[in-house]
Amino acid sequence: QLQLQESGPGLVRPSETLSLTCTVSGGSISTYYWNWFRQPPGKGLEWIGDVYYSGSTNYNPSLKSRVSISVDTSKSQFSLKLNSVTAADTAVYYCARELGRYFDLWGRGTLVTVSS
Amino acid sequence: EIVLTQSPGTLSLSPGERVTLSCRASQIISSAYLAWYQQKPGQSPRLLVYGASSRATGIPDRFSGSGSGTDFTLTISRLEPEDFAVYYCQQYGDSPPFIYTFGQGTKLEIK
Repeated sequence: QLQLQESGPGLVRPSETLSLTCTVSGGSISTYYWNWFRQPPGKGLEWIGDVYYSGSTNYNPSLKSRVSISVDTSKSQFSLKLNSVTAADTAVYYCARELGRYFDLWGRGTLVTVSS
Repeated sequence: EIVLTQSPGTLSLSPGERVTLSCRASQIISSAYLAWYQQKPGQSPRLLVYGASSRATGIPDRFSGSGSGTDFTLTISRLEPEDFAVYYCQQYGDSPPFIYTFGQGTKLEIK
């Protein structure tokens, strides 16, 4: 059964780069779009962007200037980088699989706090 | 950008009751691109309905989705204790900007 697991630092300093990895296990990362979301504490969900297994990407325009998503099919991983972070970037970050313009499989999420 | 507005914000209900949650889009969207999720505290979202009315794998038939154009609903025919959670609708915009957006959520709480 395919599973997703986020990993990365739980604390990032302001102005630095947030880096997270999502590992796909129990299935192939080839095919499908792979996505990143975030959810500030007590708030709703925001789509950050996606990556196809071929490496093509799409980003939310609200974050596009600071975001980069990449895929490493050899490791069955895809990654998120968000630069110049501020306290407003504090959130639980989720990775998920897109099946048909909706998201059927999600990681458990990882809390990233931006603080000095 | 298409904005989804969910109502009400919070509902206080009892197990066994029937509930209908509303999701209204700021412009017409394709029913194929409307989904509903359930999220419990400390958990990731769980897909309930996609394509406005198709239940996801393993979702009980007490959950049903309907709607078209700008108005969509999720109905739970008979609330079970495990259904008390936050529910989000989500859409994909097939015109620029091509992004996914969510409603702000409706919280179902036990009365």
